[in-house]
Amino acid sequence: AQKITQTQPGMFVQEKEAVTLDCTYDTSDPSYGLFWYKQPSSGEMIFLIYQGSYDQQNATEGRYSLNFQKARKSANLVISASQLGDSAMYFCAMSRGSNFGNEKLTFGTGTRLTIIP
Amino acid sequence: DAGITQSPRHKVTETGTPVTLRCHQTENHRYMYWYRQDPGHGLRLIHYSYGVKDTDKGEVSDGYSVSRSKTEDFLLTLESATSSQTSVYFCAISNLDRGSYEQYFGPGTRLTVT
Repeated sequence: AQKITQTQPGMFVQEKEAVTLDCTYDTSDPSYGLFWYKQPSSGEMIFLIYQGSYDQQNATEGRYSLNFQKARKSANLVISASQLGDSAMYFCAMSRGSNFGNEKLTFGTGTRLTIIP
Repeated sequence: DAGITQSPRHKVTETGTPVTLRCHQTENHRYMYWYRQDPGHGLRLIHYSYGVKDTDKGEVSDGYSVSRSKTEDFLLTLESATSSQTSVYFCAISNLDRGSYEQYFGPGTRLTVT
């Protein structure tokens, strides 16, 4: 069974500082995917970034990067130069890889990030 | 925007009544999913579909059924709603049939069972 653990229920960060949101995972599958989603107070789920287990380089999307440490089973999200609009709930999730029909996601419980002006 | 809509967006219903939630997508994606979101649990998979009439159970499928008679519509039915099914329900599609792994979510349906 897959499991995602997010140990930070809440974080407060000063505007313009970098933020690291922690995510560890557990799986016995050799192939898997790791995702981060943002959920603002309006409620929608916004896809941020994806990392495949066989990807050699860490994924980046604009100000978001995923610090993938396979041996440690961690997939931390790094947000550079935080902005007030980054205040939201952030979820880490994983899938069972690239098998067709097997892209079901397992989610962590989330981290609420608050950016302080 | 992956062209996903959900209806209704809000619903209040009484215990024991049947409820059907609809997910509609406009981009012909093969894979569709239903999740529920509850405080302290993140999102959990209820059912998913990998094509018309092809569905399977997820982690928390008890009390729910699904149907997919057309590519664009994925219906979630609560046969006899219970208070424990009060939740926010999200539909999602996978871009796997477009060669990438992202899943995109609809806007959600807030269901209250009284």
